[in-house]
Formats: sequence, C-alpha cells, structure tokens
Amino acid sequence: GAGVSQTPSNKVTEKGKYVELRCDPISGHTALYWYRQSLGQGPEFLIYFQGTGAADDSGLPNDRFFAVRPEGSVSTLKIQRTERGDSAVYLCASSLGFTSYNEQFFGPGTRLTVL
Amino acid sequence: KNEVEQSPQNLTAQEGEFITINCSYSVGISALHWLQQHPGGGIVSLFMLSSGKKKHGRLIATINIQEKHSSLHITASHPRDSAVYICAVGFFGNEKLTFGTGTRLTIIP
Repeated sequence: GAGVSQTPSNKVTEKGKYVELRCDPISGHTALYWYRQSLGQGPEFLIYFQGTGAADDSGLPNDRFFAVRPEGSVSTLKIQRTERGDSAVYLCASSLGFTSYNEQFFGPGTRLTVL
Repeated sequence: KNEVEQSPQNLTAQEGEFITINCSYSVGISALHWLQQHPGGGIVSLFMLSSGKKKHGRLIATINIQEKHSSLHITASHPRDSAVYICAVGFFGNEKLTFGTGTRLTIIP
C-alpha cells in the first residue's frame, strides 16, 4: 500500500504570506504527527492528532501555526504571516496508535523556504 | 535543552568497518527508536527498543536501561549505509518522541 505522502514537496514563499502544507497518512493510521526539521538538526515535535482532534499541540511555536485533521485522515498544517525563521523541512508521520512503542512512518517532507 | 544526546556527530569509515553510534538520554524512557535518514530522503524506522537487543541483517541495536544508553552497530559497513542515523525516545509520562540531532555516517569504498 501507499506510504505517507506530503504535498507540495517544495514551497517557496515570501515573508508575510500564508501557506498550507498537506499530509496524507497511511490508511487506517489513527495517529498523525507533524515535525519540523532544521538543517543539521533532528526533527522537532509540533503537534499530533489522535483521530480528528489535536491531542498535543505543545510543540507549535506560536499562534501563527495551526493544524487540522477534520475527517481523521488528511491533515493540513497552516502557517500565517510566514517569517524567514519558519524555513525548514516539515515532516509528517503516522502510526497505528499513539504510544512511544508504535512505529512511526514518515513522509518525504515539505521543504519550506521563506524569502 | 535537548535531553537526547548522540555521538559522534559525524563519522567517516572505510567500507567493511564495524560502526558504533551512541545515544544517551537523561531520564527514564518507555521506548527508544533508531531511525535512518538518507540525504534528500525520508526517514525510515530501523528499530524500536524498550530493553535488551535487536538484530536485523547487519544492524544491531542495544539498550542499557540502567545506564540510560543505547548503541546502534553496523557490521561489514557498505557505502549504501551512508546516511544520518537518529535516536528518538519516548519519556515516561510524555509519550511523544524527542529526537537526537543525528549522526552523519559516511562509508568510503
């Protein structure tokens, strides 16, 4: 079956613009995670969903960042008034359940560049 | 403050060498994952450990709960093993994963 997919693969935007990043998880995976990875760093947790609800959004850096998963499948990460510091690779992962024992399956990421 | 530390940050070795990458963490964990990330590519899960040792092909992962330390070993290393290897842990009471900064491994033919 298909793995986790993310679109777009690359996004270049100007400072102050709004962007949406999409994640299609593996079918049947109830848990979905968003991470951000800066150059030379490991992924940094942003938010995770169990079903349709955000179970933990403690990693979102500020209120410019928001994510939804309205039907418990596809998720969209939304960034308002983008800043140059938002430039990073945004990774999505899904798993069958939310515990640290569950294997997470990662998408290829969206590389966001804010000019 | 990153509670997961990996060493070395960079490692270059000749093809065929035995490779060891280390991960240490600060407090008790419920699970530890080793992940592989190829340049420009996605992240692939290699192992999940909560105790003991696991082996898959040329890869071996061990964890010492008392010492709060895990190692990833690669036997008979090959250039295709060149990648970034990342350790990630789930801390008790906070099951989301915290990631190390990764170890960049380069195997020279």
